Amino acid sequence: DAKTTQPTSMDCAEGRAANLPCNHSTISGNEYVYWYRQIHSQGPQYIIHGLKNNETNEMASLIITEDRKSSTLILPHATLRDTAVYYCIVRGEYGGSQGNLIFGKGTKLSVKP
Amino acid sequence: DTAVSQTPKYLVTQMGNDKSIKCEQNLGHDTMYWYKQDSKKFLKIMFSYNNKELIINETVPNRFSPKSPDKAHLNLHINSLELGDSAVYFCASSPYSGGTYEQYFGPGTRLTVT
Repeated sequence: DAKTTQPTSMDCAEGRAANLPCNHSTISGNEYVYWYRQIHSQGPQYIIHGLKNNETNEMASLIITEDRKSSTLILPHATLRDTAVYYCIVRGEYGGSQGNLIFGKGTKLSVKP
Repeated sequence: DTAVSQTPKYLVTQMGNDKSIKCEQNLGHDTMYWYKQDSKKFLKIMFSYNNKELIINETVPNRFSPKSPDKAHLNLHINSLELGDSAVYFCASSPYSGGTYEQYFGPGTRLTVT
């Protein structure tokens, strides 16, 4: 089972920042927070991941709380092409089954003009 | 060039048939995966395959068998297809099974069993 909880859906106005929350209160010390998204009918796409520090790349920023029990994915300037289901996943760093991605239901983000 | 490719994109077949879905990655990765996304959009890991080590999700029926002729290919063979096998199947790859590497997904194969 997924170790994360996310809102089922969110709306965001085009050009505004989209802030997607995720709770992972049972996260272990060696587990990372990953974000993937799935645009309609496509394969999932990696966005970003982090352990405890905030992370930023060309796609998004990841803010992880100090206690690591929750995080927020930020899309700074959402576009219509960012409409997708966003998955927050907790994953261990070791191989085998611990390294598998366990997808939950995700958050359906709708970016509106 | 497509990093992870799957064939066919669509597959319609009848119950009881045997079919295969092919996956190829040109990223030089060591680890490949198969996922199943059902009609309710839940995406679940089926197999991961790393350097000839196969890790199987316990919920996968033994009618499903992954076959890896080489590191760049991981095919999925399904025997005696059932209606419940209808789903979208995604292949993915990553450099290694451990570490913090991201997974790259293919475009999916939509299987419809009638």
